[in-house]
Amino acid sequence: AQSVAQPEDQVNVAEGNPLTVKCTYSVSGNPYLFWYVQYPNRGLQFLLKYITGDNLVKGSYGFEAEFNKSQTSFHLKKPSALVSDSALYFCAVRDPWMDSSYKLIFGSGTRLLVRP
Amino acid sequence: NAGVTQTPKFQVLKTGQSMTLQCAQDMNHEYMSWYRQDPGMGLRLIHYSVGAGITDQGEVPNGYNVSRSTTEDFPLRLLSAAPSQTSVYFCATRDGGSQETQYFGPGTRLLVL
Repeated sequence: AQSVAQPEDQVNVAEGNPLTVKCTYSVSGNPYLFWYVQYPNRGLQFLLKYITGDNLVKGSYGFEAEFNKSQTSFHLKKPSALVSDSALYFCAVRDPWMDSSYKLIFGSGTRLLVRP
Repeated sequence: NAGVTQTPKFQVLKTGQSMTLQCAQDMNHEYMSWYRQDPGMGLRLIHYSVGAGITDQGEVPNGYNVSRSTTEDFPLRLLSAAPSQTSVYFCATRDGGSQETQYFGPGTRLLVL
């Protein structure tokens, strides 16, 4: 069965420090992987995706993520955190070979808190 | 472009009442879907549509109906609301081809008493 795990409910980091939000996945084939961000009382905003190609993908607002097939991980990173990065982050996966519904399987979310 | 719009933003229902959550998009995307978001559970797919006249069930379809008469609109109907349907509902569209990006509306917060 397809699944996504975000092992940390919350990540705390000081402004200016690097941040990492962890994500691991389980799918039977080659996954499509996504990160979304949700600000309070807002919908989900797309950050970045891995479909194929270079394992390091760059996205919006200076975020990047690295696809690691051997560790089945897709951790979100940013070299220098901003207070405005504080939000709820969701990792999602789609298995294009096993599911024709285009369904995204979401992790439970990680709240990022960047302190000044 | 407005993107994906949802109405209402917030609704309170009594158990057994019915209502329709509206979703509209102006991006001409064929694929539309409904998710519900519950604390600690991420988002789960309720129903989806790959084009006008075509709908199918997601992973949590019970208690919900959908229809897709136009490309632009994809309403979600609750025929007899239950407290278990208290949630935040998001509509999403997907661009075609290999882009794979899904775009989400601002959400409807539903409270069933």
